[in-house]
Amino acid sequence: SQKIEQNSEALNIQEGKTATLTCNYTNYSPAYLQWYRQDPGRGPVFLLLIRENEKEKRKERLKVTFDTTLKQSLFHITASQPADSATYLCAPFQGAQKLVFGQGTRLTINP
Amino acid sequence: NAGVTQTPKFRILKIGQSMTLQCAQDMNHNYMYWYRQDPGMGLKLIYYSVGAGITDKGEVPNGYNVSRSTTEDFPLRLELAAPSQTSVYFCASSSSQAGEQFFGPGTRLTVL
Repeated sequence: SQKIEQNSEALNIQEGKTATLTCNYTNYSPAYLQWYRQDPGRGPVFLLLIRENEKEKRKERLKVTFDTTLKQSLFHITASQPADSATYLCAPFQGAQKLVFGQGTRLTINP
Repeated sequence: NAGVTQTPKFRILKIGQSMTLQCAQDMNHNYMYWYRQDPGMGLKLIYYSVGAGITDKGEVPNGYNVSRSTTEDFPLRLELAAPSQTSVYFCASSSSQAGEQFFGPGTRLTVL
């Protein structure tokens, strides 16, 4: 069956460093993949979308890579700030208008 | 634009009761979705709709029903509530199959 795994439930990073989050998927080949941010008690907010023919996508301090051979996406936040602390969800497209969400990685940036 | 709105914000139900979670969007999006999120877990798709009059099951549809009579509204109906339906429910909408999804603030439901 299709499976999505995000690395570790929680990640603690020192302010100013680069945070790297991993999303691995198995048993299917998504045409694209999205990343969302979720703050406690709030709905997810869209950050980036990357397609299977794109190796890398950037938006300000965010960078996403998509390796269809490894079946993996990496999400980087450079020059991290305490305000970046949140849970980050990856969502590969499953087909038939559906995204499938990973369980999320809770990121904490320590001052 | 209000975006995606959900009511109520919180609700406590007794086992066997029924209720409707309301969801509305003012962005003229064709695609709408209902998810549930259990503590520490990702979002599970309950039902989705690609336009008025068209709905389809997601990963966890049992115990729920939906309707889509207008583009704006996508209510989720719980019949015979069970403790396993205790969760946070999110509604989302999108302008296209591949597009970003806009989420509502969520409804926190407890079934006792």
